[in-house]
Amino acid sequence: DIVMIQSPLSLPVTPGEPASISCRSSQSLLQSDGKNYFHWYLQKPGQSPQLLIYLGSNRASGVPDRFSGSGSGTDFTLKISRVEAEDVGLYYCMQTLHTPVTFGQGTRLEIK
Amino acid sequence: QLVESGGGLVQPGGSLRLSCAASGFTFSNYWMDWVRQAPGRGLEWVANIKQDGSEKTYVDSLKGRFTISRDNAKNSVYLQMNSLRAEDTAVYYCARGLSGIIDVWGKGTTVTVSS
Repeated sequence: DIVMIQSPLSLPVTPGEPASISCRSSQSLLQSDGKNYFHWYLQKPGQSPQLLIYLGSNRASGVPDRFSGSGSGTDFTLKISRVEAEDVGLYYCMQTLHTPVTFGQGTRLEIK
Repeated sequence: QLVESGGGLVQPGGSLRLSCAASGFTFSNYWMDWVRQAPGRGLEWVANIKQDGSEKTYVDSLKGRFTISRDNAKNSVYLQMNSLRAEDTAVYYCARGLSGIIDVWGKGTTVTVSS
């Protein structure tokens, strides 16, 4: 199975400051169609996961532009340009290129 | 919208059938997935099923105990869970997928396996 390693696992951030989460895959997620089958989700407290970024760098509908995704192959990054209080929760990376679908361990973002 | 149901308390060795009702989109156009989350733990993908039901994929650890199915006429996907164990205790989410993107999730249904 593809192993997804996130870092850090805990991320305390001051409101208005930037934040960054990394995710590394044990195998390349770049398909021959040129797309990285790699995605970011946010699970807010008490809620189900919501899609933030799909195919490595595309913001999902309704996601604020302070969220951005980058990377290719095995290394990916989620950046929040200015953290807001509503951004707290667990951030997960996920790959859908290889079966089974696998997730990172999750990164808990909290407000300082 | 996706709405799961069928969760509850079941004894070890028992069975449960989870259902997920879809609305607001053309159900038959999408793959459907089940993902679970044990208490205080991360997300674990369970299974998915192709639009016409012709392909089903499972995480290896659950093969033989869990079965995914769908009824496009009823806009529903199901997860039959047999020989349940304490470690199957989790919130079970259904989600829709297309072209490798899982974009909409239900709120989940809670399964507790305990005597």
